Amino acid sequence: GDSVTQMEGPVTLSEEAFLTINCTYTATGYPSLFWYVQYPGEGLQLLLKATKADDKGSNKGFEATYRKETTSFHLEKGSVQVSDSAVYFCALSDPPGNQFYFGTGTSLTVIP
Amino acid sequence: EAGVVQSPRYKIIEKKQPVAFWCNPISGHNTLYWYLQNLGQGPELLIRYENEEAVDDSQLPKDRFSAERLKGVDSTLKIQPAELGDSAVYLCASSLDRDRVTDTQYFGPGTRLTVL
Repeated sequence: GDSVTQMEGPVTLSEEAFLTINCTYTATGYPSLFWYVQYPGEGLQLLLKATKADDKGSNKGFEATYRKETTSFHLEKGSVQVSDSAVYFCALSDPPGNQFYFGTGTSLTVIP
Repeated sequence: EAGVVQSPRYKIIEKKQPVAFWCNPISGHNTLYWYLQNLGQGPELLIRYENEEAVDDSQLPKDRFSAERLKGVDSTLKIQPAELGDSAVYLCASSLDRDRVTDTQYFGPGTRLTVL
């Protein structure tokens, strides 16, 4: 069946450090891939998405590239800020528009 | 534009009591989802509606959980009776059209249930 595997946290970084959160997936079809973010006390918000191989999703300085050959969708940001502290979830929908499968989430804390 | 609205935000009940959660999706969104999120885990789908029809309820524990979406807009998720293991966050999400390749789900803030 479909699944998403995320890098375990928690992750603690200093402000302006480089961020990578690994995500790999297993899918029977050709899924769409997503990163959602959950700030403390708030609901999940879409951060970025990609719908086909080699597509790069980007938003708020975050990027992730859909890599079909490695079944990965790693999240990166060149310089994190304290306000980026949140829990990040990788997810897929397979087929696109169908049921979502979420990873377990990676907690990020950025310290000044 | 208003987002997905859920109420209550928090609920504390004793085991064996009934509880209900309410969700109002984004206007015009025909697909509605209920998810269960345990602490430290990602959301897991309970049920998906297309308008008023439940098209995927395979993960809904039907012995104690029920859901409805009358008129294809608001939805209610009920647990009766609640058990200790039901303590979790219940999330509602909606999307515009499940057949669109670029479909995105929009989540409400969730209802945090504590069963004592």
